[in-house]
Amino acid sequence: GAVVSQHPSWVICKSGTSVKIECRSLDFQATTMFWYRQFPKQSLMLMATSNEGSKATYEQGVEKDKFLINHASLTLSTLTVTSAHPEDSSFYICSAPTQGSYEQYFGPGTRLTVT
Amino acid sequence: QQQVKQSPQSLIVQKGGISIINCAYENTAFDYFPWYQQFPGKGPALLIAIRPDVSEKKEGRFTISFNKSAKQFSLHIMDSQPGDSATYFCAASVNQGGKLIFGQGTELSVKP
Repeated sequence: GAVVSQHPSWVICKSGTSVKIECRSLDFQATTMFWYRQFPKQSLMLMATSNEGSKATYEQGVEKDKFLINHASLTLSTLTVTSAHPEDSSFYICSAPTQGSYEQYFGPGTRLTVT
Repeated sequence: QQQVKQSPQSLIVQKGGISIINCAYENTAFDYFPWYQQFPGKGPALLIAIRPDVSEKKEGRFTISFNKSAKQFSLHIMDSQPGDSATYFCAASVNQGGKLIFGQGTELSVKP
């Protein structure tokens, strides 16, 4: 299957600071990528759809000014958590569908801890 | 209508047994139904998927059964192994490259 990477795999930051998470499709181009967050023992919650060359589409209830998404190229999307607070601590996962296919592949996730 | 309901929440199976996880949906526009396996601290991995034009798909020990009229689909894991212990998520999407709607997840534990 196709490979999606994320960086960093884990990050600890202080309350009030911003953190950037990268999602890369390594062996395919992705005009669309998705960002999810997952709390312990819970399902994946879609946060936003990242579109190459245009604005991201956010799910209801997700603050777009807090979770900034940039899809700079066909292989890279970034999620910036601005002014992070302890309640933003979570597991953030990106995914990308391969073009012309239904199959969608997930990155390994980024564990964010805000102290 | 966008929900996918998954059951059971947790499942304990003996080694060699059959694990069965069920999902139900309402939106008849869904046309792709994948199953993902997730280990703790890792991203979900695509396990097997089905389109609504077939009623069953088998890959190794994993089988999806799909009932379009009942709007239900299930994952069967034959000869379950301790290494299969993980959380399994069903999902559904409307079109190619579309966002996935996930079920609540099932934590499977296979006892040796």
